[in-house]
Amino acid sequence: DQQVKQNSPSLSVQEGRISILNCDYTNSMFDYFLWYKKYPAEGPTFLISISSIKDKNEDGRFTVFLNKSAKHLSLHIVPSQPGDSAVYFCAASTGNQFYFGTGTSLTVIP
Amino acid sequence: GAVVSQHPSWVICKSGTSVKIECRSLDFQATTMFWYRQFPKQSLMLMATSNEGSKATYEQGVEKDKFLINHASLTLSTLTVTSAHPEDSSFYICSAVLTATYEQYFGPGTRLTVT
Repeated sequence: DQQVKQNSPSLSVQEGRISILNCDYTNSMFDYFLWYKKYPAEGPTFLISISSIKDKNEDGRFTVFLNKSAKHLSLHIVPSQPGDSAVYFCAASTGNQFYFGTGTSLTVIP
Repeated sequence: GAVVSQHPSWVICKSGTSVKIECRSLDFQATTMFWYRQFPKQSLMLMATSNEGSKATYEQGVEKDKFLINHASLTLSTLTVTSAHPEDSSFYICSAVLTATYEQYFGPGTRLTVT
């Protein structure tokens, strides 16, 4: 069974607006969470991460929020830019293994 | 939901030996699988694209004679690290593409340590 789920396969957002990508997980033992960005024909690129001891991590236009009680994390991109159009994967780790979501395809409309 | 497994999850081997890592799509068929390598605190590096019934396509800089990929069935791809060296120690992750939706499902990874 999928331990990490991204229930929205696609998302479209106007340029300049906020993009919110969501991710849910089932295993309370996960202690590290990551977001990757993937362009076609390329491998996923690490974007931002958060430890389970935190509830927010910010890096420029990207902010990841972690709600441990709800087993939910989200990635906020503000403001969204056309170059942000890509597939975004969330991942959770127990240290030795990674579990990835299926990805959300973000399209930022100019 | 679609599940991808990898075996083994952790392997330690001696320098000069070969190690085979399996990637299986447990409940769906995948004509395409990808193999990635991850160094600590870095992004996943795409190593090769594995297509069922044909030769794998390797990314630039990846030695195809060292990293042998076989995708013999629609549910199994294998990566064999031949004549392993300590610098091959890494985390190897595979993913399988669900043909009907193009969604990519990742395996949990295999940690290889070469001593």
